[in-house]
Amino acid sequence: GNSVTQMEGPVTLSEEAFLTINCTYTATGYPSLFWYVQYPGEGLQLLLKATKADDKGSNKGFEATYRKETTSFHLEKGSVQVSDSAVYFCALNPSSGNTPLVFGKGTRLSVIA
Amino acid sequence: GAVVSQHPSRVICKSGTSVKIECRSLDFQATTMFWYRQFPKQSLMLMATSNEGSKATYEQGVEKDKFLINHASLTLSTLTVTSAHPEDSSFYICSASGGSQETQYFGPGTRLLVL
Repeated sequence: GNSVTQMEGPVTLSEEAFLTINCTYTATGYPSLFWYVQYPGEGLQLLLKATKADDKGSNKGFEATYRKETTSFHLEKGSVQVSDSAVYFCALNPSSGNTPLVFGKGTRLSVIA
Repeated sequence: GAVVSQHPSRVICKSGTSVKIECRSLDFQATTMFWYRQFPKQSLMLMATSNEGSKATYEQGVEKDKFLINHASLTLSTLTVTSAHPEDSSFYICSASGGSQETQYFGPGTRLLVL
């Protein structure tokens, strides 16, 4: 079946530290991969995506590369800010159509000044 | 990017009443909408998949008579929690996608508190 595993939080970092949130997946076929961010009390916002192997998604200083050989889509940012404090969800869409996303459990990030 | 709205953002109701939550795609036509439920500090749990003009497909364990879903147009889906009870209190989030897009856009969520 399809599943997403991401590192458990919470992750606490100082401002300007380097961030990595690991995400690995299991899927049949060729899924699309996503990172969503959820700020406190809000819904999910698409952060970045990649639709095929070796694609790199990037947005707001965050990036993630679709690694088929390691079935991974790790999220990275070189220098985090307090405003990046949120919950980050890794997700996959197992097909190219309108199918439900499969989510990881989420990783809570807290950035302190 | 595409915008999805939800209304209301927050609702408090008495036990036994019904609550309707609207999910709208504002700048695109959503052939499919998804309804999720999120408990505190947990991930999203898919409740049902809603396709315009057809009956919703519910996930195992979700009572279709309790959580009524209607997707009457390409821009609107509604979730009605019937005879709500305190255990239905949760954060309900919808998402929408259109055509062959694999990207889903999420609404801001509706926080339901049943007293």
